[in-house]
Amino acid sequence: ETGVTQTPRHLVMGMTNKKSLKCEQHLGHNAMYWYKQSAKKPLELMFVYSLEERVENNSVPSRFSPECPNSSHLFLHLHTLQPEDSALYLCASSQDLGGALTQYFGPGTRLLVL
Amino acid sequence: ELKVEQNPLFLSMQEGKNYTIYCNYSTTSDRLYWYRQDPGKSLESLFVLLSNGAVKQEGRLMASLDTKARLSTLHITAAVHDLSATYFCAVSYPSGTYKYIFGTGTRLKVLA
Repeated sequence: ETGVTQTPRHLVMGMTNKKSLKCEQHLGHNAMYWYKQSAKKPLELMFVYSLEERVENNSVPSRFSPECPNSSHLFLHLHTLQPEDSALYLCASSQDLGGALTQYFGPGTRLLVL
Repeated sequence: ELKVEQNPLFLSMQEGKNYTIYCNYSTTSDRLYWYRQDPGKSLESLFVLLSNGAVKQEGRLMASLDTKARLSTLHITAAVHDLSATYFCAVSYPSGTYKYIFGTGTRLKVLA
């Protein structure tokens, strides 16, 4: 149990659908992250939140919209996705933004866009 | 732009053997992390290396960091089947920040 949970674990959606991914951390951390893990590519940082404020948007297309209502919850809202967006989406958290601190990852949501 | 390269990308080894996974990165950083990922599971933190010459050991795994050579190694001693997983290194860049740049991973399979 990593203390970071994600739902759903698997999601299949059409290009015209709207869906949301949810992440919850039970570690009392102040920073949360969204990563994308595609086949045969390194993990890519998408968004970073610290104390509910977005501090990083790593050139992510607007069809991905993050939301952080409090320091324990992080959402990724999806709309009009493309097949190339199919990937494993990982949420992570850390105590703060300091680079010496380990990031703890959730189990991921495996997304398939048809 | 920082690049993090791991080699080998795939490794199949017999139980009881030793091997080393290499992680090279292209610019200055003194923060390096090793993670393990089992199929269908999340990334699990293994080691955090925070300075030149840092060495950490846990069980059959030992990680080291040479910031001058921009190289980290993950050494496996007397491999067992349970070590089969994908291993990732990640570099904090700019150094000391939350921005992790990940390698592509090394998929390790330990054969009984």
